[in-house]
Amino acid sequence: EVQLVESGGGLVQPGGSLRLSCAASGFTFSSYWMSWVRQAPGKGLEWVANIMEDGAEKYYVDSVKGRCTISRDNAKNSLYLQLNNLRAEDTAVYYCARDHNDRWDERGLDYWGQGTLVTVSS
Amino acid sequence: DIVMTQSPDSLAVSLGERATINCKSSQTVFYSSINKNYLAWYQQKPGQPPKLLIYWASTRESGVPDRFSGSGSGTDFTLTISSLQAEDVAVYYCQQYYSTPRTFGQGTKLEIK
Repeated sequence: EVQLVESGGGLVQPGGSLRLSCAASGFTFSSYWMSWVRQAPGKGLEWVANIMEDGAEKYYVDSVKGRCTISRDNAKNSLYLQLNNLRAEDTAVYYCARDHNDRWDERGLDYWGQGTLVTVSS
Repeated sequence: DIVMTQSPDSLAVSLGERATINCKSSQTVFYSSINKNYLAWYQQKPGQPPKLLIYWASTRESGVPDRFSGSGSGTDFTLTISSLQAEDVAVYYCQQYYSTPRTFGQGTKLEIK
Protein backbone atom coordinates (compact mmCIF):
# COMPACT_ATOMS: atom_id res chain seq x y z
CA GLU A 1 0.00 0.00 0.00
CA VAL A 2 1.36 3.38 -1.00
CA GLN A 3 1.74 5.74 1.96
CA LEU A 4 2.97 9.30 2.14
CA VAL A 5 3.32 10.89 5.58
CA GLU A 6 4.25 14.54 5.94
CA SER A 7 5.76 16.15 9.03
CA GLY A 8 7.55 19.29 10.10
CA GLY A 9 4.77 21.86 9.95
CA GLY A 10 4.07 24.31 12.70
CA LEU A 11 3.90 27.95 13.71
CA VAL A 12 6.75 30.13 12.50
CA GLN A 13 7.30 33.88 12.54
CA PRO A 14 7.50 35.91 9.32
CA GLY A 15 11.01 35.67 7.93
CA GLY A 16 11.57 32.31 9.59
CA SER A 17 12.37 28.92 8.12
CA LEU A 18 10.91 25.44 8.22
CA ARG A 19 11.82 22.08 6.74
CA LEU A 20 9.00 19.78 5.77
CA SER A 21 9.49 16.04 5.34
CA CYS A 22 7.53 13.35 3.57
CA ALA A 23 8.15 9.68 4.33
CA ALA A 24 7.19 7.39 1.47
CA SER A 25 6.49 3.67 1.53
CA GLY A 26 4.77 0.99 -0.51
CA PHE A 27 6.40 1.81 -3.84
CA THR A 28 9.84 2.23 -5.40
CA PHE A 29 10.41 5.83 -4.32
CA SER A 30 13.54 6.29 -6.41
CA SER A 31 11.59 5.59 -9.60
CA TYR A 32 9.15 8.49 -9.29
CA TRP A 33 9.13 12.23 -9.59
CA MET A 34 7.57 13.75 -6.46
CA SER A 35 5.63 16.96 -5.92
CA TRP A 36 4.62 19.36 -3.17
CA VAL A 37 1.21 21.02 -3.39
CA ARG A 38 -0.18 23.52 -0.89
CA GLN A 39 -3.61 24.75 0.10
CA ALA A 40 -4.19 27.96 2.03
CA PRO A 41 -7.05 27.81 4.55
CA GLY A 42 -10.37 27.78 2.70
CA LYS A 43 -8.64 28.19 -0.67
CA GLY A 44 -7.76 26.08 -3.69
CA LEU A 45 -4.78 23.94 -4.56
CA GLU A 46 -1.43 25.41 -5.61
CA TRP A 47 1.34 23.26 -7.04
CA VAL A 48 4.60 24.30 -5.39
CA ALA A 49 7.46 22.22 -6.75
CA ASN A 50 8.53 18.87 -8.11
CA ILE A 51 11.75 16.90 -8.32
CA MET A 52 13.08 14.30 -10.68
CA GLU A 53 13.71 10.71 -9.60
CA ASP A 54 17.41 11.27 -8.89
CA GLY A 55 17.06 14.91 -7.86
CA ALA A 56 18.79 16.19 -10.99
CA GLU A 57 15.88 18.39 -12.06
CA LYS A 58 13.72 20.59 -9.87
CA TYR A 59 10.95 23.01 -10.74
CA TYR A 60 9.16 25.64 -8.68
CA VAL A 61 6.17 27.94 -8.89
CA ASP A 62 7.27 31.57 -9.20
CA SER A 63 5.83 32.56 -5.81
CA VAL A 64 8.39 30.41 -3.94
CA LYS A 65 11.42 30.59 -6.24
CA GLY A 66 14.49 31.69 -4.32
CA ARG A 67 12.85 30.94 -0.96
CA CYS A 68 12.15 27.27 -1.29
CA THR A 69 14.24 24.17 -2.01
CA ILE A 70 12.89 20.73 -2.80
CA SER A 71 15.16 17.76 -2.21
CA ARG A 72 15.04 14.03 -1.65
CA ASP A 73 16.99 11.18 -0.08
CA ASN A 74 16.25 8.01 -1.99
CA ALA A 75 18.14 5.90 0.55
CA LYS A 76 15.68 7.08 3.20
CA ASN A 77 12.60 7.13 0.92
CA SER A 78 12.09 10.73 1.92
CA LEU A 79 11.12 13.99 0.25
CA TYR A 80 11.84 17.41 1.73
CA LEU A 81 10.79 21.02 1.30
CA GLN A 82 12.95 23.73 2.84
CA LEU A 83 10.98 26.95 3.25
CA ASN A 84 12.91 30.16 3.98
CA ASN A 85 11.97 33.80 4.49
CA LEU A 86 8.41 32.73 5.17
CA ARG A 87 5.53 35.13 4.61
CA ALA A 88 1.95 35.16 5.87
CA GLU A 89 0.81 34.09 2.41
CA ASP A 90 2.79 30.85 2.78
CA THR A 91 0.33 29.74 5.46
CA ALA A 92 -1.17 26.53 4.12
CA VAL A 93 -1.47 22.80 4.39
CA TYR A 94 1.44 21.33 2.46
CA TYR A 95 0.84 17.99 0.73
CA CYS A 96 3.41 15.71 -0.80
CA ALA A 97 2.20 13.71 -3.76
CA ARG A 98 3.54 11.02 -6.04
CA ASP A 99 4.18 12.37 -9.50
CA HIS A 100 5.15 10.39 -12.58
CA ASN A 101 7.76 7.81 -13.50
CA ASP A 102 7.49 8.21 -17.24
CA ARG A 103 6.86 11.61 -18.83
CA TRP A 104 5.09 9.98 -21.78
CA ASP A 105 2.84 8.00 -19.42
CA GLU A 106 2.19 10.81 -16.96
CA ARG A 107 -1.18 10.53 -15.18
CA GLY A 108 -1.31 13.36 -12.68
CA LEU A 109 -0.71 13.08 -8.94
CA ASP A 110 -2.00 9.65 -7.99
CA TYR A 111 -1.19 9.42 -4.27
CA TRP A 112 -1.27 12.19 -1.67
CA GLY A 113 -0.32 12.45 1.96
CA GLN A 114 -2.63 13.89 4.61
CA GLY A 115 -0.69 17.15 4.69
CA THR A 116 1.12 19.21 7.30
CA LEU A 117 0.01 22.69 8.34
CA VAL A 118 2.40 25.61 8.17
CA THR A 119 1.25 28.79 9.90
CA VAL A 120 3.26 31.97 9.43
CA SER A 121 2.31 34.52 12.05
CA SER A 122 3.87 36.77 14.66
CA ASP B 1 2.04 29.71 -17.24
CA ILE B 2 -1.11 27.88 -18.31
CA VAL B 3 -4.17 29.33 -16.59
CA MET B 4 -6.95 26.88 -15.75
CA THR B 5 -10.44 28.31 -15.37
CA GLN B 6 -13.33 26.23 -14.03
CA SER B 7 -17.02 26.93 -14.26
CA PRO B 8 -19.18 27.23 -12.35
CA ASP B 9 -17.55 28.09 -9.01
CA SER B 10 -20.34 26.23 -7.24
CA LEU B 11 -23.10 23.90 -8.27
CA ALA B 12 -26.15 22.41 -6.55
CA VAL B 13 -27.66 19.29 -8.08
CA SER B 14 -30.42 16.96 -6.92
CA LEU B 15 -29.61 13.40 -5.95
CA GLY B 16 -29.69 11.15 -9.00
CA GLU B 17 -29.32 14.05 -11.42
CA ARG B 18 -26.39 14.90 -13.68
CA ALA B 19 -23.64 17.27 -12.60
CA THR B 20 -21.35 18.93 -15.14
CA ILE B 21 -18.20 20.90 -14.41
CA ASN B 22 -16.18 22.69 -17.05
CA CYS B 23 -12.49 23.48 -17.24
CA LYS B 24 -10.75 25.66 -19.80
CA SER B 25 -7.00 26.01 -20.25
CA SER B 26 -5.35 29.14 -21.61
CA GLN B 27 -3.37 27.03 -24.07
CA THR B 28 -3.53 23.50 -25.36
CA VAL B 29 -2.61 20.60 -23.09
CA PHE B 30 -2.75 18.07 -25.94
CA TYR B 31 0.40 16.21 -26.90
CA SER B 32 -0.19 15.31 -30.54
CA SER B 33 2.88 13.03 -30.62
CA ILE B 34 1.25 10.66 -28.10
CA ASN B 35 -2.38 11.64 -28.71
CA LYS B 36 -3.00 12.47 -25.05
CA ASN B 37 -4.38 15.43 -23.15
CA TYR B 38 -2.35 16.11 -20.01
CA LEU B 39 -5.37 17.03 -17.91
CA ALA B 40 -6.48 15.51 -14.61
CA TRP B 41 -9.51 15.86 -12.36
CA TYR B 42 -9.40 15.58 -8.57
CA GLN B 43 -12.05 15.31 -5.88
CA GLN B 44 -11.46 16.79 -2.44
CA LYS B 45 -13.80 16.15 0.46
CA PRO B 46 -13.64 18.27 3.63
CA GLY B 47 -10.62 17.52 5.78
CA GLN B 48 -9.15 15.12 3.23
CA PRO B 49 -6.38 15.36 0.64
CA PRO B 50 -7.36 15.46 -3.03
CA LYS B 51 -8.07 12.20 -4.79
CA LEU B 52 -7.22 11.57 -8.43
CA LEU B 53 -10.39 10.75 -10.41
CA ILE B 54 -9.51 11.14 -14.07
CA TYR B 55 -6.27 11.45 -16.04
CA TRP B 56 -5.55 11.99 -19.75
CA ALA B 57 -8.82 13.97 -19.65
CA SER B 58 -11.00 10.88 -19.89
CA THR B 59 -9.39 7.83 -18.24
CA ARG B 60 -10.82 6.89 -14.87
CA GLU B 61 -8.35 6.06 -12.13
CA SER B 62 -8.67 2.55 -10.77
CA GLY B 63 -11.55 2.22 -8.32
CA VAL B 64 -13.37 5.37 -9.40
CA PRO B 65 -17.09 4.71 -9.99
CA ASP B 66 -18.18 4.74 -13.60
CA ARG B 67 -20.69 7.53 -12.94
CA PHE B 68 -17.64 9.83 -13.20
CA SER B 69 -16.53 10.59 -16.74
CA GLY B 70 -14.25 13.11 -18.37
CA SER B 71 -14.30 14.50 -21.87
CA GLY B 72 -12.78 17.20 -24.03
CA SER B 73 -9.53 17.92 -25.82
CA GLY B 74 -7.11 20.73 -26.43
CA THR B 75 -8.32 23.55 -24.19
CA ASP B 76 -11.89 22.62 -23.18
CA PHE B 77 -12.75 19.83 -20.79
CA THR B 78 -15.73 18.54 -18.84
CA LEU B 79 -16.20 16.36 -15.78
CA THR B 80 -19.61 14.72 -15.62
CA ILE B 81 -21.22 12.84 -12.75
CA SER B 82 -24.06 10.97 -14.38
CA SER B 83 -26.19 10.35 -11.30
CA LEU B 84 -25.21 12.35 -8.24
CA GLN B 85 -24.79 10.44 -4.99
CA ALA B 86 -24.60 11.96 -1.51
CA GLU B 87 -20.94 10.93 -1.20
CA ASP B 88 -20.04 13.02 -4.26
CA VAL B 89 -20.38 16.27 -2.30
CA ALA B 90 -16.90 17.74 -2.60
CA VAL B 91 -14.78 20.33 -4.33
CA TYR B 92 -13.53 19.29 -7.76
CA TYR B 93 -10.33 20.57 -9.38
CA CYS B 94 -8.87 20.23 -12.83
CA GLN B 95 -5.08 20.33 -13.29
CA GLN B 96 -2.84 20.48 -16.31
CA TYR B 97 0.45 18.61 -16.24
CA TYR B 98 1.44 19.54 -19.79
CA SER B 99 3.94 22.12 -18.60
CA THR B 100 5.57 23.53 -15.49
CA PRO B 101 4.29 25.04 -13.30
CA ARG B 102 1.54 22.45 -13.05
CA THR B 103 -1.56 24.57 -12.51
CA PHE B 104 -4.95 23.86 -10.99
CA GLY B 105 -8.32 25.36 -11.65
CA GLN B 106 -9.83 27.38 -8.81
CA GLY B 107 -12.18 24.55 -7.85
CA THR B 108 -15.91 23.87 -8.15
CA LYS B 109 -17.91 23.19 -5.02
CA LEU B 110 -20.60 20.58 -5.61
CA GLU B 111 -23.55 20.40 -3.25
CA ILE B 112 -26.88 18.62 -3.02
CA LYS B 113 -29.96 20.64 -3.98
